[in-house]
Amino acid sequence: NAGVMQNPRHLVRRRGQEARLRCSPMKGHSHVYWYRQLPEEGLKFMVYLQKENIIDESGMPKERFSAEFPKEGPSILRIQQVVRGDSAAYFCASSPGPYTDTQYFGPGTRLTVL
Amino acid sequence: TQLLEQSPQFLSIQEGENLTVYCNSSSVFSSLQWYRQEPGEGPVLLVTVVTGGEVKKLKRLTFQFGDARKDSSLHITAAQTGDTGLYLCAGKAAGNKLTFGGGTRVLVKP
Repeated sequence: NAGVMQNPRHLVRRRGQEARLRCSPMKGHSHVYWYRQLPEEGLKFMVYLQKENIIDESGMPKERFSAEFPKEGPSILRIQQVVRGDSAAYFCASSPGPYTDTQYFGPGTRLTVL
Repeated sequence: TQLLEQSPQFLSIQEGENLTVYCNSSSVFSSLQWYRQEPGEGPVLLVTVVTGGEVKKLKRLTFQFGDARKDSSLHITAAQTGDTGLYLCAGKAAGNKLTFGGGTRVLVKP
């Protein structure tokens, strides 16, 4: 049973470019969460999605960031017009449903903005 | 805003010694997870505790959830160099999102 998969593992962008981060949840999991870890800081919640629905986006920056989890395919975290402050590790986690306590994390995508 | 404070931030011990990491909050959580994170990797789940006062053991690791479900501890007995890593606690409240502590970096020296 494959775990949570994220790609790319490393992504380098120049300021002003777009970054697209992908997450495939564990088999059988329909709930996806995105977290951001800034250098030397803990993980911070960004957004919680179910298939085709955003359940909670209270941790998402108001501008430039968006997320989706389509009926088919991976969840996508999209950052438009990246700035240096967006450099961080972005982690995706998944769970089988809303009433489960445990979230399983992927290996992360390390975004570097030059 | 719910906060989880982990202490200490950094711990350096000799192989064979014991250590305890604390995770404290003023908020109540429905469950609490402990993760371990290696450099360049994602957090790997160690345990989930759900019931106030619950104690779980995983080989040399003992996890406790406070009676009021506001705090937790991780105790490692006879630490080994393989225990070196970043330990994270994360609490789950309403809405499913996890609130993470700042982490404790553990270094076990041979």
